[in-house]
Amino acid sequence: DSGVTQTPKHLITATGQRVTLRCSPRSGDLSVYWYQQSLDQGLQFLIQYYNGEERAKGNILERFSAQQFPDLHSELNLSSLELGDSALYFCASSGEVSGNTIYFGEGSWLTVV
Amino acid sequence: DAKTTQPPSMDCAEGRAANLPCNHSTISGNEYVYWYRQIHSQGPQYIIHGLKNNETNEMASLIITEDRKSSTLILPHATLRDTAVYYCIVRVAGGSYIPTFGRGTSLIVHP
Repeated sequence: DSGVTQTPKHLITATGQRVTLRCSPRSGDLSVYWYQQSLDQGLQFLIQYYNGEERAKGNILERFSAQQFPDLHSELNLSSLELGDSALYFCASSGEVSGNTIYFGEGSWLTVV
Repeated sequence: DAKTTQPPSMDCAEGRAANLPCNHSTISGNEYVYWYRQIHSQGPQYIIHGLKNNETNEMASLIITEDRKSSTLILPHATLRDTAVYYCIVRVAGGSYIPTFGRGTSLIVHP
């Protein structure tokens, strides 16, 4: 158990819809990262937040957005969903307590039909 | 961050040691070597990291060459549950960084 919690574990939704994925980082971790992994594809970095502020942005679509709340949990919002958005979405966290080692959650499976 | 090169696939017999190589010839002095693995459709799992000394924990050993241009992750007694994709990543110490995952090495442990 990495200590990073993601919900929901599985989600099926229709094209055009909007979903929110939630992540609770490890206790004490201030950084949260979001990654996308499509079928048989590598892990693609989407975005990073540090203590509520956006820190780095990767190949995140404009239809996607994220935020980190004062309690440090984070949400990834995916809107106007397309079939190609079907993927595993991973959240990860890091902090000084763990020497900035990044730990990943178990992911949220999103299927767009 | 320095780029890493790993063989795309390897196999190993159960109970034997699995030695996974990683080349990071452009590594700089303040960069650590990190290893993660991803069992099919699960979240990447941190395994071990090191700077220049060999490291060992309950999961694996990490051997870094003296010139630090390559390293080997050793799973001393591989089990079927070690079948996974193994990623070698190089990053600077401390601070913020974004781990970039390449294709890694797909390790298959067979009976």
